Amino acid sequence: AQKVTQAQTEISVVEKEDVTLDCVYETRDTTYYLFWYKQPPSGELVFLIRRNSFDEQNEISGRYSWNFQKSTSSFNFTITASQVVDSAVYFCALSEAFYSSASKIIFGSGTRLSIRP
Amino acid sequence: DADVTQTPRNRITKTGKRIMLECSQTKGHDRMYWYRQDPGLGLRLIYYSFDVKDINKGEISDGYSVSRQAQAKFSLSLESAIPNQTALYFCATSGGAGYPIEQFFGPGTRLTVL
Repeated sequence: AQKVTQAQTEISVVEKEDVTLDCVYETRDTTYYLFWYKQPPSGELVFLIRRNSFDEQNEISGRYSWNFQKSTSSFNFTITASQVVDSAVYFCALSEAFYSSASKIIFGSGTRLSIRP
Repeated sequence: DADVTQTPRNRITKTGKRIMLECSQTKGHDRMYWYRQDPGLGLRLIYYSFDVKDINKGEISDGYSVSRQAQAKFSLSLESAIPNQTALYFCATSGGAGYPIEQFFGPGTRLTVL
């Protein structure tokens, strides 16, 4: 069975600090996808990144970076030089069985990130 | 215009009433999903549909039903609403086999059952 754990329920940091959001997953598949979504205070869910299980390269997009480590089943998300606009709930998610009709995405419970000015 | 739209955006209703939440998409995706979000629980899948003739239960389908009227439309019904169905409901779409797997979400419907 697949499972996603985001142990950090809430994080609060001062603007310009770096912050890392942890994500640990469980799966028995060798082929799977991992995602991060952002939910700002306005409520919509915004897709941030997809990573497949065969690509362990870290990804950087501006102030955002993602560290995927299969050895520890983790897909952590770091925001460098955080800004108030980064305040949101962030969800990590996992999908197995991409090519079968049973593919579904399982979400973690989310981490609420507050950036204080 | 938004690719995935939901109506209504907010709804307050009473226990026992029948409620329908509607979702439309212009992304041309085959797959559509309904989730509910409760504080501290993330998103939980209610129903999903991979094409017009395919409907599948998710992890929390009891008390809900769905209808896939067309490729672009997927409705969620609460036959007899109860207070613990108060939540934020999201519709999502994805492209299906051969497409990137990520899902794209509508703006959400906030439902309150009194």
